[in-house]
Amino acid sequence: QKEVEQNSGPLSVPEGAIASLNCTYSDRGSQSFFWYRQYSGKSPELIMFIYSNGDKEDGRFTAQLNKASQYVSLLIRDSQPSDSATYLCAVSRSGGYRKVTFGTGTKLQVIP
Amino acid sequence: GAVVSQHPSRVICKSGTSVKIECRSLDFQATTMFWYRQFPKKSLMLMATSNEGSKATYEQGVEKDKFLINHASLTLSTLTVTSAHPEDSSFYICSATLLAGTDTQYFGPGTRLTVL
Repeated sequence: QKEVEQNSGPLSVPEGAIASLNCTYSDRGSQSFFWYRQYSGKSPELIMFIYSNGDKEDGRFTAQLNKASQYVSLLIRDSQPSDSATYLCAVSRSGGYRKVTFGTGTKLQVIP
Repeated sequence: GAVVSQHPSRVICKSGTSVKIECRSLDFQATTMFWYRQFPKKSLMLMATSNEGSKATYEQGVEKDKFLINHASLTLSTLTVTSAHPEDSSFYICSATLLAGTDTQYFGPGTRLTVL
């Protein structure tokens, strides 16, 4: 079992729709959860992070965390073609070591 | 805030030569920097964790004598690919965490290395 699992996609959604990206993790000791966006040929950029169960909203993005189910998701409202990218889920135990484990990413395609 | 730069952005070198890549945190102090490599259409692969003033911690399977990492200050880490071979051609990306912050990693723009 991979430490952080994501469906590789591609996930295709029409412009203006809600895109839902999912991620599961295996380490119950995980404390910090991150979503990164990576355009082709570019490095990852941080979208948002979440530490507590529940929802966290930032503009068109909402991260959802359920530690009991070891599940974290990212919702993108009013999807735009510019949102087309690979979305990486990342998980950390926190503490001094600071190592983060990345999923393999889900490719999102927003169709105009 | 939390800007990380890398230099060079792109480098082409001959087989057998060494290449140095710099990673700088521009507006913050970074106790920990990470080095990743990424092959086309593949996921990030952590190569090593670099802490200021101490030896880097390499991931399993990464040759420490081939990929030399130096983290001399709180704002600079370097990766030197020694005796580069064509199979070392890849996208190398560094990231950094804030001195007194969380585990959030901020990534540099990456360096595309091509070894002929």
